[in-house]
Amino acid sequence: GAVVSQHPSRVICKSGTSVKIECRSLDFQATTMFWYRQFPKQSLMLMATSNEGSKATYEQGVEKDKFLINHASLTLSTLTVTSAHPEDSSFYICSAGQGLTNYGYTFGSGTRLTVV
Amino acid sequence: AQKVTQAQTEISVVEKEDVTLDCVYETRDTTYYLFWYKQPPSGELVFLIRRNSFDEQNEISGRYSWNFQKSTSSFNFTITASQVVDSAVYFCAWASGSRLTFGEGTQLTVNP
Repeated sequence: GAVVSQHPSRVICKSGTSVKIECRSLDFQATTMFWYRQFPKQSLMLMATSNEGSKATYEQGVEKDKFLINHASLTLSTLTVTSAHPEDSSFYICSAGQGLTNYGYTFGSGTRLTVV
Repeated sequence: AQKVTQAQTEISVVEKEDVTLDCVYETRDTTYYLFWYKQPPSGELVFLIRRNSFDEQNEISGRYSWNFQKSTSSFNFTITASQVVDSAVYFCAWASGSRLTFGEGTQLTVNP
């Protein structure tokens, strides 16, 4: 079946630094990647949708300059949290899809970010 | 706006009991998808089912079953003969286009 690899699984960084999270589709071409954020004991909130080769579409309230998304190939999307602050500490999880109809099936294992 | 409501925040059952997790959605769209996911303590999201709005047939997969009723905008999930390994947070989600809207989740605890 389709597999999405996400790493790192956990990262601790100092306030003010940047952290990059990778999401790879291992056995299929992901034309669309989705990035979600989940605070403890809360639901998943979509942050942005990225299509290969084009700029990401960010949800309202998500700072695009802070959460940089790159989807340069059909198998790799990255989320960079720039100038991280403690309030950015959260669980970030990606999902890969193929177009507008083949999505929702496959998620990465998530990245737990702690900013100290 | 689209909305997914999982009214049960937490459910606790004893092993072998049957348990139903409720999901109610709001939408004006005629074409949409509904999903259920399991999120164990490790955090990964496990896909369980996707159903499109034109398919109201109930689905059974082993101990899992789903009841989709458009008349009540509900997509409920039943686990039969629950097991300790079923303990997790379960999310219901709605989508039209590729944007998933998740419910708040239901924490299911199955006690031995």
